[in-house]
Amino acid sequence: SQQGEEDPQALSIQEGENATMNCSYKTSINNLQWYRQNSGRGLVHLILIRSNEREKHSGRLRVTLDTSKKSSSLLITASRAADTASYFCATSRRGSYIPTFGRGTSLIVHP
Amino acid sequence: DVKVTQSSRYLVKRTGEKVFLECVQDMDHENMFWYRQDPGLGLRLIYFSYDVKMKEKGDIPEGYSVSREKKERFSLILESASTNQTSMYLCASSLLHQDSRRNEAFFGQGTRLTVV
Repeated sequence: SQQGEEDPQALSIQEGENATMNCSYKTSINNLQWYRQNSGRGLVHLILIRSNEREKHSGRLRVTLDTSKKSSSLLITASRAADTASYFCATSRRGSYIPTFGRGTSLIVHP
Repeated sequence: DVKVTQSSRYLVKRTGEKVFLECVQDMDHENMFWYRQDPGLGLRLIYFSYDVKMKEKGDIPEGYSVSREKKERFSLILESASTNQTSMYLCASSLLHQDSRRNEAFFGQGTRLTVV
C-alpha cells in the first residue's frame, strides 16, 4: 500500500524557474526521503529528513517536513533541463526500515 | 560508492517460463528489496530480506518467490511467468541501522521484463 502520495503528478516549467513538489503521508514516520529517477533507470537518493527535523538543504534542493500535517515538500531552485526526471518521496514508518514509495511527480524542465 | 547490480537491463520471456532476476550489492548491506514499477502505480514492494535466508512478503508477493543464500545476492523468481508480470523490476539495498539517517536505499538500474 502506498504510504506517500506526491502532488502534482506532472509539472512543466522553464529553465531557471523553481520547482516545488509535495508529498503527503498517512502514519507516523521515522524519516522521509526523496529520490530521483531518470527515464528507464533506477532511483537515486537525493535527501533524507528525519521526523524531528523541519528543514534540510542540499545544493539547490530544499526539503521541508511538517509532521503535524503529515506532509513534505521538495523545492528545486534555479531548475535546469538536466533536472527533468521523476521524483518520488519515500517514508519509513516508525519502527520500520522499509521505504514505501508514492507514485511520483514527473518534472519536465524546458530549456 | 555503493553498487547494486541487476543481471539484465532487458528481458523477454514466454508465458509459463520460470524466470530468475538476480541482484548483487557490494556494500555488505543487510536489507535487500524487490519492487516492481508500473505506470501510474509507482513502486510496489514485492519481497524484502533483512538477513541471509530471511525473507518477508511485501504488498504484492503473489506469483513471486525470492532467495537469499548469500548476503550480497537477492534473487527474484517468477515461478510461471504471466503477461501481467510485464513490468520494470527494481532491486535495492540498505543498511539495517538504528540511526535512521543511514537507511537510505540504493537501487540497481532496473530490469524491464516483457512476458509474451
